Amino acid sequence: GAGVSQSPSNKVTEKGKDVELRCDPISGHTALYWYRQSLGQGLEFLIYFQGNSAPDKSGLPSDRFSAERTGGSVSTLTIQRTQQEDSAVYLCASSLGVGEAFFGQGTRLTVV
Amino acid sequence: AQSVTQLDSQVPVFEEAPVELRCNYSSSVSVYLFWYVQYPNQGLQLLLKYLSGSTLVESINGFEAEFNKSQTSFHLRKPSVHISDTAEYFCAVSDLGRDDKIIFGKGTRLHILP
Repeated sequence: GAGVSQSPSNKVTEKGKDVELRCDPISGHTALYWYRQSLGQGLEFLIYFQGNSAPDKSGLPSDRFSAERTGGSVSTLTIQRTQQEDSAVYLCASSLGVGEAFFGQGTRLTVV
Repeated sequence: AQSVTQLDSQVPVFEEAPVELRCNYSSSVSVYLFWYVQYPNQGLQLLLKYLSGSTLVESINGFEAEFNKSQTSFHLRKPSVHISDTAEYFCAVSDLGRDDKIIFGKGTRLHILP
């Protein structure tokens, strides 16, 4: 596609439920990033993929968070047993190696 | 590990006044540097970047940033701000020769005062 696409754009879920967030990167981009943006918290790094492998998972806040990438393309971020503190905008970005990162519009997650 | 520090979380400045948003990164041999901007209720977009060559880089809307290797800084400046510059600005660095991932600072919110 022309840009990074994220779905859903908005997600409201009940505390304790699992959610899956999807990211379609720009075609051909080898690197894919997930970030979390909370009010007043800036941009929090979650995980980075180079191809299908994740050399850096250091930003995942707990073992309830996991992510995978298949075929060097689509990535899903899964949050199990959601908590209210998981409410945030989850941003995906992709890049060609060390080039600039292109961001999607994000998924706004609200845990009620 | 590579890190990026934006010391100012918020910067208020009067319209038409100059502004500098500070960015420092942890030392490395070779880096790419970026500034991203996020306007209210919009996504992040690239403002300018340093890859190589001239250490002074400019954006189309009057911002500039200078790569200073000795001070490991990449401060963003504009000589005269406009109300439309109200946004959050993020500095980012890519550490060449390591894992190449892009690391972002926490962001600086620029408030333009009338």
